[in-house]
Amino acid sequence: DIVMTQSPDSLAVSLGERATISCKSSRNLLYRTTNNNYLAWYQHKSGQRPKLLLYWASVRQSGVPDRFRGSGSVTNFTLTITDLQAEDAAVYYCQQYYTTPYSFGQGTRLEV
Amino acid sequence: ELQLVESGGALVQPGGSLKLSCETSGFTFTASAIHWIRKPPGKGLEWVGRIRTKTYTYATAYAASVKGRFNISRDDSKNTTYLAMDRLEAEDTALYYCSPESFGFLYWGPGTLVTVSS
Repeated sequence: DIVMTQSPDSLAVSLGERATISCKSSRNLLYRTTNNNYLAWYQHKSGQRPKLLLYWASVRQSGVPDRFRGSGSVTNFTLTITDLQAEDAAVYYCQQYYTTPYSFGQGTRLEV
Repeated sequence: ELQLVESGGALVQPGGSLKLSCETSGFTFTASAIHWIRKPPGKGLEWVGRIRTKTYTYATAYAASVKGRFNISRDDSKNTTYLAMDRLEAEDTALYYCSPESFGFLYWGPGTLVTVSS
């Protein structure tokens, strides 16, 4: 099974600054035939449904501000949030959909 | 508009059983695999399992933590997916969501709460 590991577990960043969250996969998530990384990022606020931010590791879901940027490939991925806003405070998860059982990272709590 | 509504959550004793439903509308249900994901209190999101379509013989897959205890089924005539849970444990306490397969999980229902406690 693929294990997803995020770091850090939590971080506090000031308004207007940049936050960086790392996600490492125990196996390759790059499907070479299509050159796509089967990785997604989510934002989850308490009491709300999780929100898909990015898929294919770096493609922003419609409506997601371009302050949210995904990068990386194969086993190492990064979510970068620039110009942090108060509403960005949430728990962020990476998730692999390369193969079942699908798996999420343990989550990173972001305080702004 | 795509809609998902989970139901059937309840308080159940350890060792008990429960069956959740996920009613859907607004998309081609018969062409979509459906996944179940859960969020235990104070913990992170956990993928539970999925059921594929008739084309793929309704193949299922499960997380190791629920394999052998949970069973996912679907009724294409009702656009509904089910999650049957047996031998429930305290660790199964969570808000359970369903979501159609996509590149990541774009659509989520409000979830249904399962509490396993004596």
